[in-house]
Amino acid sequence: GAGVSQSPSNKVTEKGKDVELRCDPISGHTALYWYRQRLGQGLEFLIYFQGNSAPDKSGLPSDRFSAERTGESVSTLTIQRTQQEDSAVYLCASSPIPQGAVGMNTEAFFGQGTRLTVV
Amino acid sequence: DQQVKQNSPSLSVQEGRISILNCDYTNSMFDYFLWYKKYPAEGPTFLISISSIKDKNEDGRFTVFLNKSAKHLSLHIVPSQPGDSAVYFCAASDNYGQNFVFGPGTRLSVLP
Repeated sequence: GAGVSQSPSNKVTEKGKDVELRCDPISGHTALYWYRQRLGQGLEFLIYFQGNSAPDKSGLPSDRFSAERTGESVSTLTIQRTQQEDSAVYLCASSPIPQGAVGMNTEAFFGQGTRLTVV
Repeated sequence: DQQVKQNSPSLSVQEGRISILNCDYTNSMFDYFLWYKKYPAEGPTFLISISSIKDKNEDGRFTVFLNKSAKHLSLHIVPSQPGDSAVYFCAASDNYGQNFVFGPGTRLSVLP
């Protein structure tokens, strides 16, 4: 499809295991974002990629979290040694804003999310 | 320290009436504001946006108002329909199109 695709849609993992979540953004979108939503809470920013710039990692909650993006395509979010508090829906979004653009406002397009449950 | 605030976690409105969802922000560099709607088990979907050069933007039943001096925006839904029941997120970004900052959301329930 033409939208943002995330996989898996659901993931149940044991505490202490590593997990990898994948995001395929919309083709041509230079910006990619990861957010998470814990039960009953709002969208929490995790990390932001924009073109070839260094990613904005200011939202990552701990060093167990990391993310990579290959060029302007797929991104993976990795959580090492998962904890029960990591249980949440992890949402990926992309937008077509070119790097360094000024005055170009557009929305971010979200995927369906990956529901992570750490047991 | 939340830069985007939605102080009402929930709102109930009768079908046919007006729904008003409020959002406040603290960062004066924000100049583009968006509303997203989220149904359970789905990703947020874009609803309507407004640039800081405007104070109103309308799209069908949805109107967003922006008061820059008060750093406040609101989403009006008229008339409200049961299918509008969802969580509504307010978001903001700056002129350089960098990161979107989201509020905590308001759960709207439209009662038939």
